[in-house]
Amino acid sequence: DQQVKQNSPSLSVQEGRISILNCDYTNSMFDYFLWYKKYPAEGPTFLISISSIKDKNEDGRFTVFLNKSAKHLSLHIVPSQPGDSAVYFCAASGSSGTASKLTFGTGTRLQVTL
Amino acid sequence: NAGVTQTPKFRILKIGQSMTLQCTQDMNHNYMYWYRQDPGMGLKLIYYSVGAGITDKGEVPNGYNVSRSTTEDFPLRLELAAPSQTSVYFCASTTNVQPQHFGDGTRLSIL
Repeated sequence: DQQVKQNSPSLSVQEGRISILNCDYTNSMFDYFLWYKKYPAEGPTFLISISSIKDKNEDGRFTVFLNKSAKHLSLHIVPSQPGDSAVYFCAASGSSGTASKLTFGTGTRLQVTL
Repeated sequence: NAGVTQTPKFRILKIGQSMTLQCTQDMNHNYMYWYRQDPGMGLKLIYYSVGAGITDKGEVPNGYNVSRSTTEDFPLRLELAAPSQTSVYFCASTTNVQPQHFGDGTRLSIL
């Protein structure tokens, strides 16, 4: 049972445009959400997070939106750059403590083209 | 560089062999985790530890063992390697106020 779903395995966006990556979850006990970015042959690196008490969190070019009623979150990257090409994982936990166990989605491969 | 160090980076095992995947962190993090990532899948938690001497099972613990004798080290042991354990293994660590910080992984093939 996949509790965190990323239904788009891949996404291609032109440089300078907006990239929107989506994530859905089924477990209503999840209350803390993170996005990780992964380059080939490297471990995931933390990108941005959001607590369920918020509906938006912004960090530079990256914004995460949370819609609790729809159990949906999205990551917006504006403007997209070639260096953003990577696999993006959505993750969720059932506690606002960041040390809590994470449940990951299957990832979306973003390619930013020139 | 400070962080999570995993060794080896690559390994090929024969069915039935055993090995230990090493993980060490120099950030004095209490919490440590082992995940596996199969092709096209997300990371799945194998085992985790909230401090030295304390370990617990994650989502997919069968076929693995762990120990945590020090804050820095969290080795993962495969006793009888099986083809289903072919995967990329990631170790992570954190405090309770930071996101999990990952190592670069160990790619394991069992033939």
